[in-house]
Amino acid sequence: NAGVTQTPKFQVLKTGQSMTLQCAQDMNHEYMSWYRQDPGMGLRLIHYSVGAGITDQGEVPNGYNVSRSTTEDFPLRLLSAAPSQTSVYFCASSGALVGNTIYFGEGSWLTVV
Amino acid sequence: AQKITQTQPGMFVQEKEAVTLDCTYDTSDPSYGLFWYKQPSSGEMIFLIYQGSYDQQNATEGRYSLNFQKARKSANLVISASQLGDSAMYFCAMREGYDKIIFGKGTRLHILP
Repeated sequence: NAGVTQTPKFQVLKTGQSMTLQCAQDMNHEYMSWYRQDPGMGLRLIHYSVGAGITDQGEVPNGYNVSRSTTEDFPLRLLSAAPSQTSVYFCASSGALVGNTIYFGEGSWLTVV
Repeated sequence: AQKITQTQPGMFVQEKEAVTLDCTYDTSDPSYGLFWYKQPSSGEMIFLIYQGSYDQQNATEGRYSLNFQKARKSANLVISASQLGDSAMYFCAMREGYDKIIFGKGTRLHILP
């Protein structure tokens, strides 16, 4: 029962470097999304997708890129890392219906120095 | 615009007492869903309870119940007979139709022995 798998779990980046956080789900969910969690800020939506080939911006999209070429995968790319992107990142997925449970990955701890 | 507000950054409650965590929301979509998630210190996101906008009755799941007041746009989580293991961060979330899912800033609950 894999559910939502995020990699890597921990990463240290230097300012200006780029990297990709991977997210995969094996539940055939249409909806996938990325959140960042910062102290006192809750979970803020970065980007989301309601199906393969469809992506949209969330509340804090600047500095991040996504694509959804398959139903299973939804990678998050940091184009040029900045210290302000130090955070914990969560990938989530859900079915298409409004009441479908939201499943989360275990989180990725990213530090930008 | 879709909005979720949790006004209690932190709460301290004596063990075995009931506790209410506040959540208000704003949406113009008649079809929406409200979720509560628990995040213990280990970091994983645990689904607690769901309420649909068309549900006639308040949702209940064991010791958790959702006090849904549609006209006031509130969806408060009630935990009965609190336990030490309930100490965690709690997030309220909303989903409009087939659209994105947004979260509030969370409430950190401390259960005192």
